[in-house]
Amino acid sequence: GAGVSQTPSNKVTEKGKYVELRCDPISGHTALYWYRQSLGQGPEFLIYFQGTGAADDSGLPNDRFFAVRPEGSVSTLKIQRTERGDSAVYLCASSSAGGADTQYFGPGTRLTVL
Amino acid sequence: TQLLEQSPQFLSIQEGENLTVYCNSSSVFSSLQWYRQEPGEGPVLLVTVVTGGEVKKLKRLTFQFGDARKDSSLHITAAQPGDTGLYLCAGAISGSARQLTFGSGTQLTVLP
Repeated sequence: GAGVSQTPSNKVTEKGKYVELRCDPISGHTALYWYRQSLGQGPEFLIYFQGTGAADDSGLPNDRFFAVRPEGSVSTLKIQRTERGDSAVYLCASSSAGGADTQYFGPGTRLTVL
Repeated sequence: TQLLEQSPQFLSIQEGENLTVYCNSSSVFSSLQWYRQEPGEGPVLLVTVVTGGEVKKLKRLTFQFGDARKDSSLHITAAQPGDTGLYLCAGAISGSARQLTFGSGTQLTVLP
């Protein structure tokens, strides 16, 4: 079946602009996660959704970052007033129920802020 | 600051050699996972270990969880070029099992 998909695969923007990154989880998965992976580093947790609600947003670096999952399926990560330091690969993962369930990752969106 | 330290950061070996990658922390984890990531793709889960001292084998890969659940190792026997990739360990801290803390990764290159 289809895995986690993310769009766009690459996004280039200018400093100060607004961007939206989309994640389509595996059908039926109730838990959805966003991570950020900088060059040469492992993924860093940003936010976790269980259904429509953000169960844990402790990893969001500041209030420029926001994520939604209005219908409990697709999620959008929104970044306002982008900065060069936001450049990274943004990974989305989903799992069937959260907790210790296996997280399946998408291919990521590579964001470059010029 | 990474809670999980991986070593070595880079490893380049010849086909047929053995290798071990280490993942260490001062924190106790309820479970620890190993992933492999290839360029342009997300991490793919290889194994989950949950019990202190646990050893799991996956073909030529052997994973061990430390007795105190603070460290883990991945041993590959007779490495092949297809093993090339970024190996990541990730831990779940009890009470925050949904949030994975990743190590910085070990980039393995197996030369033919």
